[in-house]
Amino acid sequence: SQELEQSPQSLIVQEGKNLTINCTSSKTLYGLYWYKQKYGEGLIFLMMLQKGGEEKSHEKITAKLDEKKQQSSLHITASQPSHAGIYLCGAGMDSSYKLIFGSGTRLLVRP
Amino acid sequence: DTAVSQTPKYLVTQMGNDKSIKCEQNLGHDTMYWYKQDSKKFLKIMFSYNNKELIINETVPNRFSPKSPDKAHLNLHINSLELGDSAVYFCASSQGPLGYYGYTFGSGTRLTVV
Repeated sequence: SQELEQSPQSLIVQEGKNLTINCTSSKTLYGLYWYKQKYGEGLIFLMMLQKGGEEKSHEKITAKLDEKKQQSSLHITASQPSHAGIYLCGAGMDSSYKLIFGSGTRLLVRP
Repeated sequence: DTAVSQTPKYLVTQMGNDKSIKCEQNLGHDTMYWYKQDSKKFLKIMFSYNNKELIINETVPNRFSPKSPDKAHLNLHINSLELGDSAVYFCASSQGPLGYYGYTFGSGTRLTVV
């Protein structure tokens, strides 16, 4: 099994709808990162969460890290076609340099 | 100015060949990485170099050999290519472990072995 589980694996929503993507670990995380990957391109950094209970927002995207630092959620409000892509959560499992990724969530937003 | 640049962007080659992928970063970061993304989009770390020293070496066939001539460059050489090596390979860099922005990724090299 993977160290970081993401759900759902894929998501199709109508434009304007809200959605949530989850990222879960059985271990305490040393920093949780959310990236977006457009099809056929590289990864774009979205947000980083470090403290338990932390919440950050950028435009219509909000990310939260639970108090135990084992679960994060990414919430998109009033989705747009430009939000389409693959969302990846990445995390450090210890104080080393290794960033582990979840399996990704493919998001499609229908106009 | 591209922060992390990889070349080539696409690489199609026959089984058994030897090929290299180059990566350069102009961010002044001291650590660089190679990741492999398979057909299911699962991203897995392969290697990491910190100031030209190998610090992460995951379970990767020894046909794969990273080389870091200086801290701004990390190349990946693959010998005797196999069909299963087909994937997208991403280079990344960071300043110190993880850091506020995590890693900065290149745009990837799509390797197809036929």
